[in-house]
Amino acid sequence: KAGVTQTPRYLIKTRGQQVTLSCSPISGHRSVSWYQQTPGQGLQFLFEYFSETQRNKGNFPGRFSGRQFSNSRSEMNVSTLELGDSALYLCASSLEGERPQHFGDGTRLSIL
Amino acid sequence: AQSVTQPDIHITVSEGASLELRCNYSYGATPYLFWYVQSPGQGLQLLLKYFSGDTLVQGIKGFEAEFKRSQSSFNLRKPSVHWSDAAEYFCGGGGADGLTFGKGTHLIIQP
Repeated sequence: KAGVTQTPRYLIKTRGQQVTLSCSPISGHRSVSWYQQTPGQGLQFLFEYFSETQRNKGNFPGRFSGRQFSNSRSEMNVSTLELGDSALYLCASSLEGERPQHFGDGTRLSIL
Repeated sequence: AQSVTQPDIHITVSEGASLELRCNYSYGATPYLFWYVQSPGQGLQLLLKYFSGDTLVQGIKGFEAEFKRSQSSFNLRKPSVHWSDAAEYFCGGGGADGLTFGKGTHLIIQP
């Protein structure tokens, strides 16, 4: 069974731009969560989607948004990028109600 | 509020020696607790998890962890480390609102 797939693996953007990251969960998993990992703040929960609905949201500004499609694939979008948005963005999928989650290898976003 | 604390930022261990990584949690009820490992440039791999039952949990790669409610701890152990164990280790706790992670412990293996 294929794991969680995140694309792209690396991304370089400049301040003020926007970016969209993609996550394909493990087949059969309907829950997708997103995390931001930085050296200073560690791993922080962004949001969780289940059956195309946002179920939980972390403490991030409205510039961070996401969505989930009917095939459970998810995207997250960051608008008006700031230098502090440079991070590894991790996606994780799980069956409904299952904890913990299965993680992808992440997208490394660098803001210049 | 739920929180997970890993007191040690770095740990250095000689190859073949035993290992214990500390994790303390703060949860209102019996938590779901986990340990993950992250190698450079990769995502998180689950080592083991505790939901209920036997407080000594066996995981992959020869790791185990013990849940101690009286000490609010869930420490990770391995009797003999290998050079390939060098990585970042994260303790985490979970509930309905996603996972909460500790800051991580960087494990260095000395030859």
